[in-house]
Amino acid sequence: GQQVMQIPQYQHVQEGEDFTTYCNSSTTLSNIQWYKQRPGGHPVFLIQLVKSGEVKKQKRLTFQFGEAKKNSSLHITATQTTDVGTYFCAGPTQGGSEKLVFGKGTKLTVNP
Amino acid sequence: NAGVTQTPKFQVLKTGQSMTLQCAQDMNHEYMSWYRQDPGMGLRLIHYSVGAGITDQGEVPNGYNVSRSTTEDFPLRLLSAAPSQTSVYFCASTRQGPSNSPLHFGNGTRLTVT
Repeated sequence: GQQVMQIPQYQHVQEGEDFTTYCNSSTTLSNIQWYKQRPGGHPVFLIQLVKSGEVKKQKRLTFQFGEAKKNSSLHITATQTTDVGTYFCAGPTQGGSEKLVFGKGTKLTVNP
Repeated sequence: NAGVTQTPKFQVLKTGQSMTLQCAQDMNHEYMSWYRQDPGMGLRLIHYSVGAGITDQGEVPNGYNVSRSTTEDFPLRLLSAAPSQTSVYFCASTRQGPSNSPLHFGNGTRLTVT
């Protein structure tokens, strides 16, 4: 079945360093979504990318969707302790938009 | 506006017991779904519903039943709990399908089966 893979699984940075997580799908995606889950919390929607090559920014966060619509990345500039959490990408399965398949997530820890 | 409400927050079951995890949303969302989250496994879809009276299986449906008698409620039933069902369960809803609008998650139910 369709797979969405994320790397790295864990990332530890010093506060102020940059951070990037990568997402790859085994199939072409109609769109990709990113979610953040704080420790002990629930996933919260960050953004959705739809167009090939699309780049969106939210303050220090930059999201990209690959030209082939099979990969995506989330880059955080100058991490802060508030960025701690697990970041998930998710894409709809082929043949319909009723199932959202999540990557396994990248857990980010930030050393102050 | 409460959003997605899950009860209980914590539950401990013995192997073979049954229980129902409750999920309710007050946003008039047509689509509702259940995910389980295990360490290192991400979020895996158990069952979903695109509207009242309609349910379908996700990636890991075995051992779970669902029903959708109203737009607001989407309970998840474990008929005979097994230790492999120890997990954190999240209910999520969205206005249309998850491809068109973002999922809103509940706070989760942490289930332990001994």
